[in-house]
Amino acid sequence: ETGVTQSPTHLIKTRGQQVTLRCSSQSGHNTVSWYQQALGQGPQFIFQYYREEENGRGNFPPRFSGLQFPNYSSELNVNALELDDSALYLCASSFPRQGVNTEAFFGQGTRLTVV
Amino acid sequence: DQQVKQNSPSLSVQEGRISILNCDYTNSMFDYFLWYKKYPAEGPTFLISISSIKDKNEDGRFTVFLNKSAKHLSLHIVPSQPGDSAVYFCAARPNFGNEKLTFGTGTRLTIIP
Repeated sequence: ETGVTQSPTHLIKTRGQQVTLRCSSQSGHNTVSWYQQALGQGPQFIFQYYREEENGRGNFPPRFSGLQFPNYSSELNVNALELDDSALYLCASSFPRQGVNTEAFFGQGTRLTVV
Repeated sequence: DQQVKQNSPSLSVQEGRISILNCDYTNSMFDYFLWYKKYPAEGPTFLISISSIKDKNEDGRFTVFLNKSAKHLSLHIVPSQPGDSAVYFCAARPNFGNEKLTFGTGTRLTIIP
């Protein structure tokens, strides 16, 4: 059973550029959530995808967008990068079931630096 | 508005002693609470959780206590080991199905040999 994998692990982009981060969910998991962790902060929820549909969004502007594919892998896209977008981006996968509490499993993250 | 608060940014504990990490929350909709451990250059790893129908959950050296009336939970690690040195995040969400997690800012635990 493979865990959650993210690519790339590190990335440097210039302000104004666009970036795509990728996540492969854990085998059997149909839900992927993306989080942004700024330095010294806890992870902040960006959005969640369940069976290829967005299923909840945090307080992030529309230039943060995502996709989920039929194999449940996911992409996070950020347009018009700003310096404050520099952070660790975490992907988490889970398999929510009615009436059962389940935990989310995280990937190792992508460290994005905007210069 | 910080709905989940970890007021101690850091904690140092002697090896073999008890480590107690605290977490407070303000949102009454939160019913399920999780602790994650994070090493540098790795993603958070699930440690232990508790539902609001319980006040204690134990797993080996790790015990989580929940005081719903005070909106407070704590993680006890005993005995503490050097490998426990990491950043610990408290997270919360409503029960069942809604997987969005609200995290605290973390506590860096250092175990002194």
